[in-house]
Amino acid sequence: DAGVIQSPRHEVTEMGQEVTLRCKPISGHNSLFWYRQTMMRGLELLIYFNNNVPIDDSGMPEDRFSAKMPNASFSTLKIQPSEPRDSAVYFCAGFSGANVLTFGAGSRLTVL
Amino acid sequence: AQSVTQLDSQVPVFEEAPVELRCNYSSSVSVYLFWYVQYPNQGLQLLLKYLSGSTLVKGINGFEAEFNKSQTSFHLRKPSVHISDTAEYFCAVSGTSYDKVIFGPGTSLSVIP
Repeated sequence: DAGVIQSPRHEVTEMGQEVTLRCKPISGHNSLFWYRQTMMRGLELLIYFNNNVPIDDSGMPEDRFSAKMPNASFSTLKIQPSEPRDSAVYFCAGFSGANVLTFGAGSRLTVL
Repeated sequence: AQSVTQLDSQVPVFEEAPVELRCNYSSSVSVYLFWYVQYPNQGLQLLLKYLSGSTLVKGINGFEAEFNKSQTSFHLRKPSVHISDTAEYFCAVSGTSYDKVIFGPGTSLSVIP
């Protein structure tokens, strides 16, 4: 089991550009979570999916953010257009069994 | 809605001393409780969890936590800390099995040699 895999690990982009973050969850489990971590706001839940369906997206900051899970093995988080205040570490997580949430290593986004 | 409070944002402690990191939660339903640790530039790792049963839960690296329903607390303890315990610690709550997990703001533990 390779765990939760995220890409890219680091992304530096300019304001206004589109950013796509990718996540490959643990196989065999149907829930997937996207979190954002910043110094100011800590760890925020952005959206979570169950059986590829978005269950709660109330944490998505605004319309510039969108997330998809086209199948059980892949999810994307897109920001368009990006802004400097979107700079953060974005984590993807999924259940690995017995209610244990397993995190990916994170994608560090810097928007200049 | 559930929420988690971690009153101590930073906790400095000398090596080999005991430590307690405080966590309080609010929820209108039965809860599952967790402690996660984050080392620099890494994702979060599970330390321990309370789902049901004994209120004293033992985790990895010598940590333990006690669930207190009346005080809505889930404090994390370790009798003797090591330098390697320096990290950020997060308390978390979820309402039901495989439900969304809400995290507290975190406590930065610094172990002083």
